[in-house]
Amino acid sequence: GAVVSQHPSWVICKSGTSVKIECRSLDFQATTMFWYRQFPKQSLMLMATSNEGSKATYEQGVEKDKFLINHASLTLSTLTVTSAHPEDSSFYICSARAALTGGRKNEQFFGPGTRLTVL
Amino acid sequence: EDKVVQSPLSLVVHEGDTVTLNCSYEVTNFRSLLWYKQEKKAPTFLFMLTSSGIEKKSGRLSSILDKKELSSILNITATQTGDSAIYLCAVDTGGFKTIFGAGTRLFVKA
Repeated sequence: GAVVSQHPSWVICKSGTSVKIECRSLDFQATTMFWYRQFPKQSLMLMATSNEGSKATYEQGVEKDKFLINHASLTLSTLTVTSAHPEDSSFYICSARAALTGGRKNEQFFGPGTRLTVL
Repeated sequence: EDKVVQSPLSLVVHEGDTVTLNCSYEVTNFRSLLWYKQEKKAPTFLFMLTSSGIEKKSGRLSSILDKKELSSILNITATQTGDSAIYLCAVDTGGFKTIFGAGTRLFVKA
């Protein structure tokens, strides 16, 4: 099946630094990638949708200057948390939508997530 | 390699039917199993299961975990068209990884 990886799996950083998280589709091309943040009680919040080669579409309330998203290729999207603060500590999950998967066209596949801890 | 497998991949039923969705897992460490319903923006959390044999219920939805069989089921009774969605199963392996299954696409016909 289709695999989405995230790197790093976890990161601890100091307040004020920037952190980059990568999301890769390993065996398929992803025209669209989604970035989610997981909150307490397991709820997921969609942060932004990125299409390859174009600017990301951010959800209301998500600061685009703080959460920089780049989708430079059909297999890679990056989320950079700039000037991270402790309140940014969270679990960030990406998912990738395949361009074409035969019987399951436009299906989404989720990455394993990245745990960010800002000290 | 950690993995979560859901079945069936897709399902079409009529309103009023009862459906059972399956999730099996093979993971190195298990902390909890999560069920989500995905319609639009983001998957909506349904249940978190940590102990075997204890059924969790929310309205017409219920779920149970079998740690011996490394599996869980999600039941939906008296289905409605509004239940049409993708149902995702995920396993929190503790610490730094949540493994999602590919999902079951449910379509409920009126």
